[in-house]
Amino acid sequence: AQSVTQLGSHVSVSEGALVLLRCNYSSSVPPYLFWYVQYPNQGLQLLLKYTTGATLVKGINGFEAEFKKSETSFHLTKPSAHMSDAAEYFCAVRKGAGSYQLTFGKGTKLSVIP
Amino acid sequence: EAQVTQNPRYLITVTGKKLTVTCSQNMNHEYMSWYRQDPGLGLRQIYYSMNVEVTDKGDVPEGYKVSRKEKRNFPLILESPSPNQTSLYFCASSPPGAGGSYNEQFFGPGTRLTVL
Repeated sequence: AQSVTQLGSHVSVSEGALVLLRCNYSSSVPPYLFWYVQYPNQGLQLLLKYTTGATLVKGINGFEAEFKKSETSFHLTKPSAHMSDAAEYFCAVRKGAGSYQLTFGKGTKLSVIP
Repeated sequence: EAQVTQNPRYLITVTGKKLTVTCSQNMNHEYMSWYRQDPGLGLRQIYYSMNVEVTDKGDVPEGYKVSRKEKRNFPLILESPSPNQTSLYFCASSPPGAGGSYNEQFFGPGTRLTVL
């Protein structure tokens, strides 16, 4: 079964510092991987996704993630944190080949300190 | 505007009083899903639907029902709510397509339910 582990339920960074949110996955099929962001009192929205092809994927708001098969990782990064990045971030993997369903990680809450 | 809408956004009810949370999408998506979000547990899928009249259980279906009589609507029904169903609920839909686009789920704004 597919699973996702997000290391760190809460991460704090200073404004302008590097953001690194960690995601490791387990998948018995070629993984499709996703990062979603949830701003306070809102639903989730897609930040970026990896399906096939280029392993470094760029998303909205300056975020990017790199798929590393050997490490079964899909960590999310942003070179310089902004106050508006404060939110909860969820990593997700599709449940199976051709499946519409996603398995979500437990989330990482990002705080940005001015 | 393409969107998923949920109603109500906030609901406080009492144990055993049947309730329905509505979900509607205007993007002609075939796949729809319900999740609950609890602190420290992330999102857990309750039910999903691949198309009209086609529904299936997710990871935590106990105590919930759904129906899909129209493509755009996917209501969540709690026939006898209990306090352990106090949670934040999200509806989502996905478009068809290749290359993982069918996994790009569009989420509603959420319904915060409190069962006393």
